[in-house]
Amino acid sequence: EIVMTQSPATLSVSPGERATLSCRASQSVTSNLAWYQQRPGQAPRLLIHGASTRATGIPARFSGSGSGTEFTLTISSLQSEDFAVYYCQQYNNWPPITFGQGTRLEIK
Amino acid sequence: QVRLVQSGAEAKKPGSSVKVSCKASGGTFTTYGIHWVRQAPGQGLEWMGMIIPIFGTANYGQKFQGRVTISADESTTTAYMEVSSLRSEDTAVYYCGRDRGVIEGYYHYEMDVWGQGTTVTVSS
Repeated sequence: EIVMTQSPATLSVSPGERATLSCRASQSVTSNLAWYQQRPGQAPRLLIHGASTRATGIPARFSGSGSGTEFTLTISSLQSEDFAVYYCQQYNNWPPITFGQGTRLEIK
Repeated sequence: QVRLVQSGAEAKKPGSSVKVSCKASGGTFTTYGIHWVRQAPGQGLEWMGMIIPIFGTANYGQKFQGRVTISADESTTTAYMEVSSLRSEDTAVYYCGRDRGVIEGYYHYEMDVWGQGTTVTVSS
């Protein structure tokens, strides 16, 4: 099973600033990595697939990068609605598909 | 626009079973994977398994093999997830999600459409 490790667990950033979230895989997942946003009480929402492609309707301030075992989600200028929990997910070697434990992005 | 609508909240006793449904509307059902993901209170996302209705065979995470059954009914465009021998640790919100399907000859297992979630509470 591929273990996905996200860091940091909690990130405090001020509105308008940049946020950088990391995700590391225990072995290569090539570019088969997705990022999701989850707001309280809501289902996850797909942000990024293929490590770097924004999903339909996702604002350009969200960007993903990386391949192999190291990945980054960057939010360029934080809006109030961006404060949420973010998960990475690998689908390269499965079953099982695995998620990271999440990064909580909170207002500083 | 594809939409997934799940069945309502359930309260169950330990040792019993629960079956959650996920009805798809507004798009193709048979050739996309339907995944089940659960989230225990205050915890992260945990993938349980998936089914591609046109193939009919489900794949499961090892943790859930033998205790979870995922199925799909093409005639009603509904997927199901049943958990047996429930225990308190199964208390969670259960989500279904549809993946992006086959693109350029490969299946893409990112989930871009989600149900609203079904809360299952297991308590004596």
